[in-house]
Amino acid sequence: DGGITQSPKYLFRKEGQNVTLSCEQNLNHDAMYWYRQDPGQGLRLIYYSQIVNDFQKGDIAEGYSVSREKKESFPLTVTSAQKNPTAFYLCASSKDFSYEQYFGPGTRLTVT
Amino acid sequence: GQSLEQPSEVTAVEGAIVQINCTYQTSGFYGLSWYQQHDGGAPTFLSYNALDGLEETGRFSSFLSRSDSYGYLLLQELQMKDSASYFCAVCMNTGFQKLVFGTGTRLLVSP
Repeated sequence: DGGITQSPKYLFRKEGQNVTLSCEQNLNHDAMYWYRQDPGQGLRLIYYSQIVNDFQKGDIAEGYSVSREKKESFPLTVTSAQKNPTAFYLCASSKDFSYEQYFGPGTRLTVT
Repeated sequence: GQSLEQPSEVTAVEGAIVQINCTYQTSGFYGLSWYQQHDGGAPTFLSYNALDGLEETGRFSSFLSRSDSYGYLLLQELQMKDSASYFCAVCMNTGFQKLVFGTGTRLLVSP
């Protein structure tokens, strides 16, 4: 079955630590995205990548970093510079049209 | 900038029809998408309106009026499983075609 996987589902970290969230897709999609969702709110774009070895900042990129070394993978690192890292993180991908994105199950990150 | 406004919560009973509105303030977009998200789950794509008018997909229909800066999602023959959050999102046409999401509407369907 094709789809997007994110791991782990729940992640706990101490303040000051960097943490990397995994996102893998086997849909053969070129574009991949990272979103952040806070309780009761919509999705906000962190980073996106249209092709391998290229990525761009979204609306809230400060304190985050990404890489796109393979078409299938788009990991997100939450650095200690991110002031409020506790949130639900969603990875998505799309083939031809950005309006139809496929989402992974998400990673809920808690930083204390 | 862009902003999309949705009611925070809508309640309805099984079998009923409900309309979830989305008003936006944005310039330059390709169309309006709708996504469904169950609690703790992943958003799933429901529909897309590139042109003004009504798009029908089974029990769900979506409408767009660019002149009124307004769209809506219509859910018919409501089922308990339709209880979820619904997000509208504009597909921007300024450079990269990113999605900008609304604040979301929580739909509660009761027996």
